[in-house]
Amino acid sequence: GDSVTQMEGPVTLSEEAFLTINCTYTATGYPSLFWYVQYPGEGLQLLLKATKADDKGSNKGFEATYRKETTSFHLEKGSVQVSDSAVYFCALYGQNFVFGPGTRLSVLP
Amino acid sequence: EAGVTQSPTHLIKTRGQQATLRCSPISGHTSVYWYQQALGLGLQFLLWYDEGEERNRGNFPPRFSGRQFPNYSSELNVNALELEDSALYLCASRFIEWVGETQYFGPGTRLLVL
Repeated sequence: GDSVTQMEGPVTLSEEAFLTINCTYTATGYPSLFWYVQYPGEGLQLLLKATKADDKGSNKGFEATYRKETTSFHLEKGSVQVSDSAVYFCALYGQNFVFGPGTRLSVLP
Repeated sequence: EAGVTQSPTHLIKTRGQQATLRCSPISGHTSVYWYQQALGLGLQFLLWYDEGEERNRGNFPPRFSGRQFPNYSSELNVNALELEDSALYLCASRFIEWVGETQYFGPGTRLLVL
């Protein structure tokens, strides 16, 4: 079945550092890919998405590119802020929604 | 446009009691998904309702049940509560477009079983 693998956290960075959170997937066909963010004590918010190969999703300085050849959808941000501290979930929609286990990011001032 | 709403925000119960959680999807969305998120863990799929029917359920015992009403709002019922049912319960509604589907989440109900 479909599956999503994310890098294990927690990830701890200093403010203004570059962020990469790796996400790879296994799915048949061409799934849609998503990144969701969960701030402390809240539900999940859709951060960005991509629906076909080579699409780049972007929002709030975050980007991720749908790479069919490497089955990846890595999340990047050039300069993180303390307010980016949260748990980030990679997800796909093929035949069903499948979520990765989440990666906790802590950004220190 | 209002997002997905859930109530209550917090719920405290004791072992053996029943809990009822409510969800209203985004206007126009007909599908509702329920997930359980235990502390420090990822999302575990519970139930999917669409057009009033249960379409799929995750690997949870029958004491987890629910329903969807004609206005597409949904209830999740958990009977005979156990301590390990303490978790954040998230509801999501589904937006369908020609390129695929997207889930939008509510803020969650935090259930504590004592």
